Amino acid sequence: QSVLTQPPSASGTPGQTVTLSCFGGTSNIGNNFVYWYQQLPGTAPRLLIYLNTQRPSGVPDRFSGSNSGASASLAISGLRSEDEGDYYCAVWDDSRTGRVVFGGGTKLTVL
Amino acid sequence: EVQLVQSGAEVRQPGAAVKISCKVSGDTVNIHFIHWVQQAPGRGLEWLGVVDPTDGEAIYADEFQGRLVITADTSSDTVYMELSSLRSDDMAVYYCAAAQTRDYSMGLWGRGTTVTVSS
Repeated sequence: QSVLTQPPSASGTPGQTVTLSCFGGTSNIGNNFVYWYQQLPGTAPRLLIYLNTQRPSGVPDRFSGSNSGASASLAISGLRSEDEGDYYCAVWDDSRTGRVVFGGGTKLTVL
Repeated sequence: EVQLVQSGAEVRQPGAAVKISCKVSGDTVNIHFIHWVQQAPGRGLEWLGVVDPTDGEAIYADEFQGRLVITADTSSDTVYMELSSLRSDDMAVYYCAAAQTRDYSMGLWGRGTTVTVSS
């Protein structure tokens, strides 16, 4: 059971905007930067968002991150079939000895 | 172009240890941390630990303390992850991932190394 909670599934149709959520607490999202990763079937994860809102070069501006208190969101606009995959949030957690924690992941289906 | 090249698949018996390598190929100047991440079949990502490749200082997830050692060899730009006392639930793909900025991002990933634990 992760300290970060993500809905296990989400879906949308091409062109729609979908928002994926990540819920944590004061020891993690409430106090540290959030990262988002995309994992397409059969591939290694890929960094989509770092430092809450920043996109690495090569990541389309259809992907955007935001935070509010102890929760974070990843919005995907102009949804495309190739966006179908798993999405994970991650953050440093200050509890115990300190560690990076991942959410359980959200499986995004493009209908 | 910087790449992370991981060693090949491994098969171990329960109770044994496995050591996986992750070589940084290309410009290493902007590699600040190397993380290790576990993904069991059909499961999500689990963080194992991180090492600063310049000084070898490592931080481990509590769940793997005592069984996990992450080391860095600056002469060969290679980071190693050794997991001991293997159990069936250690059967997974292990990824190394590099932070190219001085934070806990994992902007560059290896292709993964499959570890099978079977008697």
